[in-house]
Amino acid sequence: DGGITQSPKYLFRKEGQNVTLSCEQNLNHDAMYWYRQDPGQGLRLIYYSQIVNDFQKGDIAEGYSVSREKKESFPLTVTSAQKNPTAFYLCASSIVVGQRNTEAFFGQGTRLTVV
Amino acid sequence: AQRVTQPEKLLSVFKGAPVELKCNYSYSGSPELFWYVQYSRQRLQLLLRHISRESIKGFTADLNKGETSFHLKKPFAQEEDSAMYYCALRGWGKLIFGTGTRLQVFP
Repeated sequence: DGGITQSPKYLFRKEGQNVTLSCEQNLNHDAMYWYRQDPGQGLRLIYYSQIVNDFQKGDIAEGYSVSREKKESFPLTVTSAQKNPTAFYLCASSIVVGQRNTEAFFGQGTRLTVV
Repeated sequence: AQRVTQPEKLLSVFKGAPVELKCNYSYSGSPELFWYVQYSRQRLQLLLRHISRESIKGFTADLNKGETSFHLKKPFAQEEDSAMYYCALRGWGKLIFGTGTRLQVFP
């Protein structure tokens, strides 16, 4: 099952610690995205990247950071500044064709629990 | 600002009944609109997109720019349609989602 892989599936951290979630894709996609999924709130965009070495804040970027040093990788760091980090995190990727992005493919998600 | 609104959290119907999942959007430019679906224990996946004007699994959705809507419809619901449905909008590189509607189809 190739495509887009998130690891680990479950992650536990102590309050006050930074934690990095991995997202890797072998689809040769240009664009990558990170979302947070909470019950009743749908998917909220944290960060997105259209090209290597460039990324933009989404709607809820505070307390998170990302990097895009390689096309296939878009790791997300949940910092201690994030006030409510316990959530389900989804990564996605898509091709960029001209000014349009195509279908987004999603990973299986990482459930982060901060205790 | 970009915004996607799905007013119903839950929609319950009986098998064979028509289904309409509502989606309204706010966007100043020319939007790309999508419906994504998440079946139980599966990844979120694309159901259909407005530019294709296609019917997938019996579902259709028409973009109404006047009403800024992109409602998802199916004339006869099946039990296997039970899932979480998300309306999504792409603009200026951002892909944003609504809060989702859970569709339950009873036998």
